[in-house]
Amino acid sequence: AQSVTQLDSHVSVSEGTPVLLRCNYSSSYSPSLFWYVQHPNKGLQLLLKYTSAATLVKGINGFEAEFKKSETSFHLTKPSAHMSDAAEYFCVVSESSYKLIFGSGTRLLVRP
Amino acid sequence: SQTIHQWPATLVQPVGSPLSLECTVEGTSNPNLYWYRQAAGRGLQLLFYSVGIGQISSEVPQNLSASRPQDRQFILSSKKLLLSDSGFYLCAWDSEHEQYFGPGTRLTVT
Repeated sequence: AQSVTQLDSHVSVSEGTPVLLRCNYSSSYSPSLFWYVQHPNKGLQLLLKYTSAATLVKGINGFEAEFKKSETSFHLTKPSAHMSDAAEYFCVVSESSYKLIFGSGTRLLVRP
Repeated sequence: SQTIHQWPATLVQPVGSPLSLECTVEGTSNPNLYWYRQAAGRGLQLLFYSVGIGQISSEVPQNLSASRPQDRQFILSSKKLLLSDSGFYLCAWDSEHEQYFGPGTRLTVT
């Protein structure tokens, strides 16, 4: 069975500094991986996805993630945090066309 | 373009009362539709999915049911709410293995 682990429940960075949100996955075959962002009391928005093409995936709002099969990781990064990036981020692995497995989320706090 | 609507946005209901949450999708036909629940401080749990009118699959046993009376309408219901039904309910549809989420309904059962 597939699973995903987000290693940090909270991450705090200063505005203008890099962001790193960590995610490890478990899958018996080549997975599809996603990062979603959720602002307070809002639905989820897709940031980026990996589907066995390029291992470095670029998403919206300057975010990117690198698929590392040897490390079973899919960490999300951004070179410079903005105040508007403060939100909850979910790493997701796709078990099938119908089923997404969500991590428990990482709350990103951006300090001015 | 496709849009997804959910209502109501917030709801406070007493224990034992019925529930009906509605989700509609515009701009696409025959979408796969999903209901998720997000408990406080946790990830999303898939409750139901539907691949067509009248076709509902349940992922977890629970106090809730779902129906799809029309192609672009997905309803989440309960006959008697429990305190544990409180949470943030999200509807989603998918296209090419990407899921797109509605704005959600925050349900508080008192």
